[in-house]
Order: sequence, then C-alpha cells, then structure tokens
Amino acid sequence: AQSVTQPDIHITVSEGASLELRCNYSYGATPYLFWYVQSPGQGLQLLLKYFSGDTLVQGIKGFEAEFKRSQSSFNLRKPSVHWSDAAEYFCASMEYGNKLVFGAGTILRVKS
Amino acid sequence: NAGVTQTPKFRVLKTGQSMTLLCAQDMNHEYMYWYRQDPGMGLRLIHYSVGEGTTAKGEVPDGYNVSRLKKQNFLLGLESAAPSQTSVYFCASTAPGLAGDSYEQYFGPGTRLTVT
Repeated sequence: AQSVTQPDIHITVSEGASLELRCNYSYGATPYLFWYVQSPGQGLQLLLKYFSGDTLVQGIKGFEAEFKRSQSSFNLRKPSVHWSDAAEYFCASMEYGNKLVFGAGTILRVKS
Repeated sequence: NAGVTQTPKFRVLKTGQSMTLLCAQDMNHEYMYWYRQDPGMGLRLIHYSVGEGTTAKGEVPDGYNVSRLKKQNFLLGLESAAPSQTSVYFCASTAPGLAGDSYEQYFGPGTRLTVT
C-alpha cells in the first residue's frame, strides 16, 4: 500500500518569509500527487496536483510544488507567506480506484 | 451549485446510540468517499462508492456501514457508536474520466461527532 509522510507536524514562519512544506511518498510508479489546504473548521481545498510532465507545478494562492522522483518528494513552496496562509496542509497520493492516501498534515503558523 | 454538503454539522451521541450522516453532491459525480480526520493522522478512508448501488471498504471500515441508493447521496451509518468514533467526518466526491477532469476530490465542510 502507498504511504505519504509529512515529517513536520508544525511549522512557524514570519509573514513575508518563504515557506517549504515537505512531503515524501512511497510508490513504485509515478504517483498522482496532491496538496490540499484546510482552514480551521473548514473542509479541504485543492492547492495543486501532479500527474506527469513538468515537475514544477503551479497552484492557487501563489503556491508551487516540485516533484522529485529521485527523492520521492513533492514539496510545497511559497516565496512569501501571508497571514491568511495559516492553516493545515495535507499532501496526498492517489491509489488505484481513485482513493486518496493522506499524510498526517503540517500545521502552518504565521508570525506577524 | 452547492457542491458537497453534509448533514448534520455537529452531533453528540452516547455510547451505543446509532446515527446516520448524510452527504449530498450536485455535481453528478460517480465516485463518493467518506473519510475520518483525527489529530496527527490526517484523513483516513472509511468507505467509498464508485457508482449508484455500489460500496467498498476503505482503510478503517469497522463500525461503519454505508449506502448509495441515489447517485447524489452517500450515507454513513454508525449502528452502535463508540468513543473511538469521536472524530470529524468528511465526505468527498469526484468524477474520474470526464474530459478536463483533474481527479480532484471535492470535499464537504465536515461533521464533528462526539461520542460520550
């Protein structure tokens, strides 16, 4: 079975600083990978996805992610964090049957 | 277009009680899913359905049952609630295979369930 690891449970960054959230997956073939964001008390919103092709993918709200097969990683980045980015972020991979396997999540705190 | 809606938003149950959570989507999606979210564990798949009248087990199906009698609705049942089922439950839907579809799963706002 696939698994997704998000090594950082919490991350705190200052507003305006850059951000990188880590995600590692375990899957032999090229996975379908996703990043979702969850604001407090809300459902999940898709930030971006990777299926194939260009390994640097752009998403909404200024986020991007880079797929690195050699490192089994799909890290999420943003050059300048805004206070409204404070939320929990989930990395996920897709299994056969269109089922998502989620990482444990990373809670982002933004210092003003 | 409401997307994915869930009823109720909050519920408190006593151990042994039963309840049904309703998920409805108006996007004509074939696939629907029930997840539970627990702190530090992300979301885990309980059951899913790939079409009307079909259901299948996910990662953590024990203690839950589901039904998909209509394409737009996916019900999650707890026959005898236990404190271990205290969680936030999310429903999602998707329509793989449609032109331009991104395999994105669309999530409802969640149901917060407490079992005492």
